[in-house]
Amino acid sequence: DIQLTQSPSFLSASVGDRVTITCRASQGVNSYLAWFQQKPGKAPKLLIYTASSLQSGVPSRFSGSGSGTEFTLTVNNLQPEDFATYYCQHLNGYPITFGQGTRLDI
Amino acid sequence: EVQLVESGGGLLQPGGSLRLSCAASGFTVSDHHMDWFRQVPGKGLEWVARSRSKARGYTTEYAASVKGRFTISRDDSKNSLYLQMNSLKTEDTAVYYCARDNSFFSFDVWGQGTLVTVSS
Repeated sequence: DIQLTQSPSFLSASVGDRVTITCRASQGVNSYLAWFQQKPGKAPKLLIYTASSLQSGVPSRFSGSGSGTEFTLTVNNLQPEDFATYYCQHLNGYPITFGQGTRLDI
Repeated sequence: EVQLVESGGGLLQPGGSLRLSCAASGFTVSDHHMDWFRQVPGKGLEWVARSRSKARGYTTEYAASVKGRFTISRDDSKNSLYLQMNSLKTEDTAVYYCARDNSFFSFDVWGQGTLVTVSS
């Protein structure tokens, strides 16, 4: 199974900051890597797919990069609604797996 | 509006069975791969099963933790996806989500989730 490891697991930041979350895969996943945002009691929300494509309706302050085994999610100019948990996910074969999550707190 | 709505969750004892439903609106389920995920409250996300699209013959994939106990299926006439869960264990306790594959190796539409609690 492909393991996805996110760092950091916890992140404190302020409104207006820029933050970066890293996702490392135990083996190459090409560009089949996505990023989700999840708020308590809600379903995950797709932010980025195929490593760097912005999902429709997602603000442009979110961006993704990387390929192979190392990927990053960057959020510029943090807004109050961005404080949530973020997950990476691969679909380069089965089982589909997720990173353990990064909790972004104020 | 494109939407998925899960139902069927509940409280049951170990060894029991339950069938979850996921009703789609705003799109045709048969055109998409569809998946089930689960999440223990306060924990991370786990993929459970996949049903490929009609064009891909409705073939299926399962996580090792549920293979042989869970069955994913769909009823295109009802535009719905299902998850039959048998021989339930306490470790199957979670919120279960259905989701639509966006054809770009990820999932763009998710249901609101339905809670399954397995406890004696």
